Amino acid sequence: AQSVAQPEDQVNVAEGNPLTVKCTYSVSGNPYLFWYVQYPNRGLQFLLKYITGDNLVKGSYGFEAEFNKSQTSFHLKKPSALVSDSALYFCAVRAPGGYQKVTFGIGTKLQVIP
Amino acid sequence: DARVTQTPRHKVTEMGQEVTMRCQPILGHNTVFWYRQTMMQGLELLAYFRNRAPLDDSGMPKDRFSAEMPDATLATLKIQPSEPRDSAVYFCASGLLSDGNQPQHFGDGTRLSIL
Repeated sequence: AQSVAQPEDQVNVAEGNPLTVKCTYSVSGNPYLFWYVQYPNRGLQFLLKYITGDNLVKGSYGFEAEFNKSQTSFHLKKPSALVSDSALYFCAVRAPGGYQKVTFGIGTKLQVIP
Repeated sequence: DARVTQTPRHKVTEMGQEVTMRCQPILGHNTVFWYRQTMMQGLELLAYFRNRAPLDDSGMPKDRFSAEMPDATLATLKIQPSEPRDSAVYFCASGLLSDGNQPQHFGDGTRLSIL
């Protein structure tokens, strides 16, 4: 069975500072990994994905994530946080092929402090 | 920008009533998902369809919930009879998942309150 862990319920960071939101996963085979963001009263929005290739992937709004196979991690990062980045962030994983469903993490609330 | 459309956005009803939530997936997407989001459980997958056929509804309470796709432009999630514990935000998502490497596109949800 596949699973995702987001160990922090909430991350607080000062505006302008770098941010990291952590994610670790467990899946059979090579993973497909995703990050989504959710703003209040909205659905989840896709940020970025790792399928194969370069371990550092870049996504929307200046976010990037680093895939680390040995540590089974896929942490979300941004060099300089904005107040508007405050939202709920979800990591997701699925195994490739077939009709595998996506498993989402519990979510991490990011609070950027002005 | 193509979007997943969910109706209604809000629904308040009394326990025991039937609730129907509708979803219009993005045109051309072949996979539709229904999720439920609560503070306690987070995001739970209820059911998903590929090419309108149900593939997995193991997350759905079968005695009261049902999900269908009468055509490619409409997915429905019904609760009958509804109970207060069904209060949650229900999301529909669609995708073009030929191999699962494409993201899901979410609607803005139906916020359901059962009194």
